[in-house]
Amino acid sequence: KNEVEQSPQNLTAQEGEFITINCSYSVGISALHWLQQHPGGGIVSLFMLSSGKKKHGRLIATINIQEKHSSLHITASHPRDSAVYICAVEGDSNYQLIWGAGTKLIIKP
Amino acid sequence: DAGITQSPRHKVTETGTPVTLRCHQTENHRYMYWYRQDPGHGLRLIHYSYGVKDTDKGEVSDGYSVSRSKTEDFLLTLESATSSQTSVYFCAISESAGVWQFFGPGTRLTVL
Repeated sequence: KNEVEQSPQNLTAQEGEFITINCSYSVGISALHWLQQHPGGGIVSLFMLSSGKKKHGRLIATINIQEKHSSLHITASHPRDSAVYICAVEGDSNYQLIWGAGTKLIIKP
Repeated sequence: DAGITQSPRHKVTETGTPVTLRCHQTENHRYMYWYRQDPGHGLRLIHYSYGVKDTDKGEVSDGYSVSRSKTEDFLLTLESATSSQTSVYFCAISESAGVWQFFGPGTRLTVL
């Protein structure tokens, strides 16, 4: 079993829909990262969080440390949100990142 | 955008040949990382560096070596490339451990 599991693996939705991508992990962590990989391949860090909730524009990330679960939400989704969203966790014994396999999101106009 | 470049961006080579990929940063960040990305896998750490001449292995380091003789450059070498090393390679940098990583544009390597 992978230490970081993302769901769903693939998600297709219509423009305007509210999107939720989930990340569950099985190790103790010091922080969790959400990243976005564009269709062209570039990777951008979106959030780093260790508790609670963070918001940036239409993106919201939440984490529940007790349940070892995080969600990434996109409100009013748009075709330009189409990308692979990756969850990664920092183990609490070292700072190396453990990566999820990613969720491929397609938003149709 | 963080100043981080990778060269070459694309390379096709033959099995058994040596290959060196370069990561160059202009941010003066202490940490540099090499990852590979393959279908069905998340990013996997190959090697990382926490300072000039200070490097350590990641989870998939077999068949790879690295060097960091200057803060700005981190080299990844495949001494004798194999087809299993066909992948997209990403370099990343961070100011310190446990903070955001900034990624380079990636290098697509094909080993025939």
